[in-house]
Amino acid sequence: SQQGEEDPQALSIQEGENATMNCSYKTSINNLQWYRQNSGRGLVHLILIRSNEREKHSGRLRVTLDTSKKSSSLLITASRAADTASYFCAPLGSNYQLIWGAGTKLIIKP
Amino acid sequence: EPEVTQTPSHQVTQMGQEVILRCVPISNHLYFYWYRQILGQKVEFLVSFYNNEISEKSEIFDDQFSVERPDGSNFTLKIRSTKLEDSAMYFCASSLFGSTNEKLFFGSGTQLSVL
Repeated sequence: SQQGEEDPQALSIQEGENATMNCSYKTSINNLQWYRQNSGRGLVHLILIRSNEREKHSGRLRVTLDTSKKSSSLLITASRAADTASYFCAPLGSNYQLIWGAGTKLIIKP
Repeated sequence: EPEVTQTPSHQVTQMGQEVILRCVPISNHLYFYWYRQILGQKVEFLVSFYNNEISEKSEIFDDQFSVERPDGSNFTLKIRSTKLEDSAMYFCASSLFGSTNEKLFFGSGTQLSVL
């Protein structure tokens, strides 16, 4: 399976702390995308990192990609209560389809 | 920012009934997708659609499923004879070019409950 696998499955931290979520996948990819899903809502695109990139920033988000280890991480700095959501990594595989993991459920405690 | 809209937000149906889930992709987008997410499980790809035909489909997308772009703005997913296991959140998505380095825009989903 090419699917992304997020780790941890759940993460609970205090507001203001940094949150790090990891993702592993199994085959070669074109890019890897991270999405957020608030409870019962749709998926919102956060950031896309191409296979030839190693790091990308967007506001409080920092994504890394290590294609040799087939892994990626998403760092949210200075977390806020509004960051509470599920986070999914979605590698874009050789068949040009996004392959989804089960997500990391992030809870930010005020 | 432009949005993908889906209707209805919730659909309850009896097993064996036909349902049509509707989506209005972003107006200038050319690629359309359906995904589903069973409660607490992974998001699963169903089908992608371009130029009025299916470009890719998964094993889930069997003969009970069909998609259509009837009028140039709507994109529909039809399930002919629903089963209990079809209960899930169904997401429509669209992208401009369908290129490998492009993000997908998702709708808020239709929660389908088959009784």
